[in-house]
Amino acid sequence: GAVVSQHPSRVICKSGTSVKIECRSLDFQATTMFWYRQFPKKSLMLMATSNEGSKATYEQGVEKDKFLINHASLTLSTLTVTSAHPEDSSFYICSARDPRGGENSPLHFGNGTRLTVT
Amino acid sequence: EDQVTQSPEALRLQEGESSSLNCSYTVSGLRGLFWYRQDPGKGPEFLFTLYSAGEEKEKERLKATLTKKESFLHITAPKPEDSATYLCAVAPFGNEKLTFGTGTRLTIIP
Repeated sequence: GAVVSQHPSRVICKSGTSVKIECRSLDFQATTMFWYRQFPKKSLMLMATSNEGSKATYEQGVEKDKFLINHASLTLSTLTVTSAHPEDSSFYICSARDPRGGENSPLHFGNGTRLTVT
Repeated sequence: EDQVTQSPEALRLQEGESSSLNCSYTVSGLRGLFWYRQDPGKGPEFLFTLYSAGEEKEKERLKATLTKKESFLHITAPKPEDSATYLCAVAPFGNEKLTFGTGTRLTIIP
């Protein structure tokens, strides 16, 4: 069964509005979660690392004011796309590692959120 | 900089026709190489982790192998339900971040 739950699976919003995406770890606590973005026929690109209780770490070229990340608890991270524009339309996927599997435990991914900005 | 290149980009096979997918990589000290399966509109589903050259892992019709430069995902007698995009990723020592390839889109024709 799924170990990482992501919601919503699809969202359509108007340009200029903000959208929040939730990522939950099921059955385990995750001090770190990862947010990826995927374009058609492209590889998954890491956007940021979400850290429970502290600021997120953003990859080079990712606007922290555009993509707000909050990791308020050990099972929940949220990504808010602020003032969305059509170029933000994409497939956003979160992931987390079950710490009980040790340092080599694989990343488990949510089912993604398809964002369409009109 | 870590790099992952997957080939072919797309592969169409008849049901039962075995083949292999390739993942070439460069990484500053390999902690692990990961294979994932991704269905359309879904997140990647974990398949295998390989840690050192010579290692092999199997799951149903899939077998993953690893050398110092590349990994292969062998698929034996595939079925239509094996159709998906297969992603390869590497992680270096001391870093939780994964670098992904662009995937191989596999289609199995009944």
